[in-house]
Amino acid sequence: EVQLVESGGGLVQPGRSLKLSCVASGFTFSNYGMNWIRQAPGKGLEWVAYISSGSSYIYYAETVKGRFTISRDNAKNTLYLQMTSLRSEDTALYYCARGAVARVMDAWGQGASVTVSS
Amino acid sequence: DIQMTQSPPVLSASVGDRVTLSCKASQNINKNLDWYQQKHGEAPKLLIYYTNNLQTGIPSRFSGSGSGTDYTLTISSLQPEDVATYYCYQYNSGYTFGAGTKLELK
Repeated sequence: EVQLVESGGGLVQPGRSLKLSCVASGFTFSNYGMNWIRQAPGKGLEWVAYISSGSSYIYYAETVKGRFTISRDNAKNTLYLQMTSLRSEDTALYYCARGAVARVMDAWGQGASVTVSS
Repeated sequence: DIQMTQSPPVLSASVGDRVTLSCKASQNINKNLDWYQQKHGEAPKLLIYYTNNLQTGIPSRFSGSGSGTDYTLTISSLQPEDVATYYCYQYNSGYTFGAGTKLELK
């Protein structure tokens, strides 16, 4: 069974940093591109970042470019999202999702909650 | 940036109804569009990819169509378990979700 489990969320002050993790199981993680998608409370979905299977291709939404860094460790079957200079508008549930080139996202985690507030 | 407009924002329908959800892109997206279903409190689920391809395990009452700027998700016979918010998502240029259509039972 394909499974994605996010962790690392929490309450953080504006301007601070936080790192999310997503552990994958049930499939060959190193063969798949991976994404982060977020959902602000009561709002719709927003694609955040993509990383290819071998980390050669990385893309970001304009809203997070320069502040967030996506990475992965294929030996540990883990996807990361390093978030810096956090703003209140980054408050959201952050999902990791499997999907090549940020499309056909066929497996999703349950999300990690990030709240940016003083 | 490509904008995706979904209509209606909220749709009320009865069990057994044929339901049509619309998604309009601000420019041609060449069928590079997926549909996702999100039930309350759950993660999104892929329903349809590349406009009209049914994801494995999704009931055949779901179908997608469209081209150019106009796309449609159809549920041929609405079931109670289909109550959810439905999002279209384009990846032709950048990556953009629509605002969603909330489907309710009448």
